[in-house]
Amino acid sequence: SQTIHQWPATLVQPVGSPLSLECTVEGTSNPNLYWYRQAAGRGLQLLFYSVGIGQISSEVPQNLSASRPQDRQFILSSKKLLLSDSGFYLCAWSVRREDTQYFGPGTRLTVL
Amino acid sequence: GNSVTQMEGPVTLSEEAFLTINCTYTATGYPSLFWYVQYPGEGLQLLLKATKADDKGSNKGFEATYRKETTSFHLEKGSVQVSDSAVYFCALSDTGANSKLTFGKGITLSVRP
Repeated sequence: SQTIHQWPATLVQPVGSPLSLECTVEGTSNPNLYWYRQAAGRGLQLLFYSVGIGQISSEVPQNLSASRPQDRQFILSSKKLLLSDSGFYLCAWSVRREDTQYFGPGTRLTVL
Repeated sequence: GNSVTQMEGPVTLSEEAFLTINCTYTATGYPSLFWYVQYPGEGLQLLLKATKADDKGSNKGFEATYRKETTSFHLEKGSVQVSDSAVYFCALSDTGANSKLTFGKGITLSVRP
């Protein structure tokens, strides 16, 4: 069966510090991968998606970036965090050309 | 573009009450429709889906019917439990190969014993 992992589960970082969140999927090949952010009291915002290694599409211009160095690994990064980057970050995957997405447990990021 | 509108929340019900959460959508083509549930501190879980008009998705006592004529996908449950307390998101899929989803804002359901 397929599983999706995210780490860390929680993170507290100072403003201006770098960020690296990791997501890995097991039990499937060539998945589509997605990063979402969920700010307090708000819905889900799609940040990035990827249909293959090295292929990243950005949905919202901001100080975040994403990379996909391996087929089942998706990384969300920032060089300098802002207060507004605080939120709950969710990674998701789907089978290529299928529309159901499956979500990871999320990372709670607090920027102080 | 695509959009999903959910009723305003939060919703508070007593245990064993009937639940309806409204969801309407705007989309081109024939998207799939989804309900996801998020329990406190967790990621989203797929609750149910429907892929074409008049399909009924069901799971754990929840049901929703894909109504193309009213562009709706309302979620219902006949008798809610305290364990159903969560945030519920309605979503629709892009019809392209990237499988992007458009989500509603979500609604918080609290069920009292």
